[in-house]
Amino acid sequence: EPEVTQTPSHQVTQMGQEVILRCVPISNHLYFYWYRQILGQKVEFLVSFYNNEISEKSEIFDDQFSVERPDGSNFTLKIRSTKLEDSAMYFCASSERTGNQETQYFGPGTRLLVL
Amino acid sequence: AQTVTQSQPEMSVQEAETVTLSCTYDTSENNYYLFWYKQPPSRQMILVIRQEAYKQQNATENRFSVNFQKAAKSFSLKISDSQLGDTAMYFCAFTQGAQKLVFGQGTRLTINP
Repeated sequence: EPEVTQTPSHQVTQMGQEVILRCVPISNHLYFYWYRQILGQKVEFLVSFYNNEISEKSEIFDDQFSVERPDGSNFTLKIRSTKLEDSAMYFCASSERTGNQETQYFGPGTRLLVL
Repeated sequence: AQTVTQSQPEMSVQEAETVTLSCTYDTSENNYYLFWYKQPPSRQMILVIRQEAYKQQNATENRFSVNFQKAAKSFSLKISDSQLGDTAMYFCAFTQGAQKLVFGQGTRLTINP
């Protein structure tokens, strides 16, 4: 069964460093999302992406964040200068082009720790 | 703005019992979709069940079923014959379509042997 994959599974970085989190959505999906979950809290929406552009972003998704679909398979989230409060689990999700756009399938997450 | 509320931070039941997790939501829209996601200790988000607001029939998936009350804006999850593997955080979520999911705070469910 097709699934969303994410790399790396864990990342430790120093405050102020740039990180890139990578996702490979399910192959026939065209809607892509990033969410984050700070330990012990609920899952929060960061950004949605469709047709090679951002369709919606939350107030969390400030100028330090960017997303890109550099090729036909990868979807990346970049944090330019990490802060301590960026430590969280980051989830990528995708949904189909037609017929089942509402159902988002999640990757296993990347656990980011900023020191 | 849409909000989702899960009023039970934690629940605990014995194996094989039936348990119901509560969820309420707030929206002014008529067409939307509701989901329950399971998050085991591995922290992966696993889709459990979905419900379309335009459908009156409650969704079921094996041991999992929902009680969808549109007028009351309530969407509870019933787990029958609970198993140890059902131990996880359960999140209720809302979306209007190919848009962001709005999650509740989660309910930590423990199934005891």
